[in-house]
Amino acid sequence: KAGVTQTPRYLIKTRGQQVTLSCSPISGHRSVSWYQQTPGQGLQFLFEYFSETQRNKGNFPGRFSGRQFSNSRSEMNVSTLELGDSALYLCASSGGPYYEQYFGPGTRLTVT
Amino acid sequence: GENVEQHPSTLSVQEGDSAVIKCTYSDSASNYFPWYKQELGKGPQLIIDIRSNVGEKKDQRIAVTLNKTAKHFSLHITETQPEDSAVYFCAASGDNDMRFGAGTRLTVKP
Repeated sequence: KAGVTQTPRYLIKTRGQQVTLSCSPISGHRSVSWYQQTPGQGLQFLFEYFSETQRNKGNFPGRFSGRQFSNSRSEMNVSTLELGDSALYLCASSGGPYYEQYFGPGTRLTVT
Repeated sequence: GENVEQHPSTLSVQEGDSAVIKCTYSDSASNYFPWYKQELGKGPQLIIDIRSNVGEKKDQRIAVTLNKTAKHFSLHITETQPEDSAVYFCAASGDNDMRFGAGTRLTVKP
C-alpha cells in the first residue's frame, strides 16, 4: 500500500496570505489528523476528520480550518498567515481499530 | 484532556549501549501507547505500540513496557546503532484523541 502523501512538500508565503495544504491518506483509511510541529511547541494536534466530519479539534484559532472529501483526502487551510505559523504541518491517517496513526512526510511552511 | 510528559529531552549513548526513554500520562482512560521515530526531514514513523491490556511488548532490539497503575510507559532500545539516532516521541490515546510527548533526541556515538 502506498503511504500517506502530502503536497506540496515546501511552501513559502508572505504574512497575510492564505495557504491550502493537501493530504492523501493510506488507501482504506477514513480518518485524517493534522498536526503542527515546531521546535518550541513540539507536535500539536490541529484537528481530525473522519468520514468528512470534523471529529476532534485542538486549541488553534479559527484561521486554521480543514475539510475532508468523500475519497478521504483532506485539506487544511490557514488564512491571514502570521510569522508564527511557520512550521512543519503533518498529516496522519488512521484506519485500524486501535487508532494507529501513520504520518506523511509533512509540508514545510515558511511565512516571511 | 490528556497530558503526556517525556524524559529525557536529550540522550547520548555509545554504540552498543542501551537507551531508555520514559513517558507519563494523566488520563486513566488512555488505552493505546505508540512510539514514533522521526529522522531529519521526515515525518514520524510508528516503530512500536502497546495496548493497555499488555504490560510489555518486544520487537527485535526495541521493547516497550507499560505500567497502567502508575500511568507510565517506557521505550527500551538495546544494542544501539548509529542509525538509531533520531527524535523519539511517545504518545497516549484514549477516545479518538492522541497526545504526544515533547520528544527525546537520541544520539548514538560510533
